[in-house]
Amino acid sequence: DQQVKQNSPSLSVQEGRISILNCDYTNSMFDYFLWYKKYPAEGPTFLISISSIKDKNEDGRFTVFLNKSAKHLSLHIVPSQPGDSAVYFCAASSRYGAGSYQLTFGKGTKLSVIP
Amino acid sequence: GAVVSQHPSRVICKSGTSVKIECRSLDFQATTMFWYRQFPKKSLMLMATSNEGSKATYEQGVEKDKFLINHASLTLSTLTVTSAHPEDSSFYICSARDNGGGGYNEQFFGPGTRLTVL
Repeated sequence: DQQVKQNSPSLSVQEGRISILNCDYTNSMFDYFLWYKKYPAEGPTFLISISSIKDKNEDGRFTVFLNKSAKHLSLHIVPSQPGDSAVYFCAASSRYGAGSYQLTFGKGTKLSVIP
Repeated sequence: GAVVSQHPSRVICKSGTSVKIECRSLDFQATTMFWYRQFPKKSLMLMATSNEGSKATYEQGVEKDKFLINHASLTLSTLTVTSAHPEDSSFYICSARDNGGGGYNEQFFGPGTRLTVL
């Protein structure tokens, strides 16, 4: 059973427009969420995170929104740039119980920003 | 920023041989390191959690005798793929959690190791 879901395997956006990447989760014990960016044959790079006590976190062009009741989070990139083209992974973790601090990843969404 | 290195970045070996992959946190201490495996067009799959000074915790379905993990210091964890077979060919990625980092659970990832078993 997949606990973190990224239902869109790919997304294409025009340069300068907004990119919205979505992520859903099923485990109500998750209390911390992260977004990673990954280029082929490289390790993921941390982008932005959000704690479950917040509903929004912003860092430059990147904003993450969390809707706990819907168990849904999204990453907004605005304005989108060609260099943003990569695979974006949503990850979640819980500080409680066995496996605390472990990350559970979604399958990723490949973002293509068209010049 | 926190940097994690992996060595080697790419390795090709014959079936039946063993391969060791190193993961180092360069500018911070990491009590806990994680080893992931990524299949093509798939998500990162956690293989095991490596704890400094103690035995690694393996995820269900991961053979601990095949994937040996040693976390001998606060900056180094190694993954040894023993008696490698072609089905072990994959992209292996490690991550490290910064003990003293301000982020609650930011893991910093290495660049990955591409293993090809002939």
